[in-house]
Amino acid sequence: DTEVTQTPKHLVMGMTNKKSLKCEQHMGHRAMYWYKQKAKKPPELMFVYSYEKLSINESVPSRFSPECPNSSLLNLHLHALQPEDSALYLCASSQDNPSNEQFFGPGTRLTVL
Amino acid sequence: GENVEQHPSTLSVQEGDSAVIKCTYSDSASNYFPWYKQELGKRPQLIIDIRSNVGEKKDQRIAVTLNKTAKHFSLHITETQPEDSAVYFCAASSDSNYQLIWGAGTKLIIKP
Repeated sequence: DTEVTQTPKHLVMGMTNKKSLKCEQHMGHRAMYWYKQKAKKPPELMFVYSYEKLSINESVPSRFSPECPNSSLLNLHLHALQPEDSALYLCASSQDNPSNEQFFGPGTRLTVL
Repeated sequence: GENVEQHPSTLSVQEGDSAVIKCTYSDSASNYFPWYKQELGKRPQLIIDIRSNVGEKKDQRIAVTLNKTAKHFSLHITETQPEDSAVYFCAASSDSNYQLIWGAGTKLIIKP
């Protein structure tokens, strides 16, 4: 299996909702990433997990909470989001560090009303 | 920290012609330089990458060149086809930094 999968594909939520994004890979990769991408912009790194430990948090607001239950799964818990958080949320994985190819999931298109 | 600049922001070429996209980076410790292609509504996909111990790499119609002294690298696409239309991102990283630093992207338009 050489794919990163993400669910859901689309998500619409209100500012008071709590929801979670899920990401899964079965390539044995030990680094996993969450990115946020706005239209016509490059992906913006949010979090990096290396060997299931959070290694980078790019000053992301606490309304985004990552979780890595095991080496194959990565979650992003969302709470009290703002309309400006609407974006494409991409998960990626790589063997161990960014000096190896990052494989991206198809993304979750999030709309916050 | 590392900074990657990418030019041009938009590139329009006639089908069959070549396209060149250029990136410069600031951190001399950077040693890995991937290029990603992103079609509208799709995920970024790696099309070619190069490491700092190599000056050029080719894969069919796509090539990447790296000039470590000048700290720039370029993507070359020959015999462009309509399916090459997409946004292309360059990036850079180093062994000591768990991040890919991305360029701003180039929208490539192939005119029939």
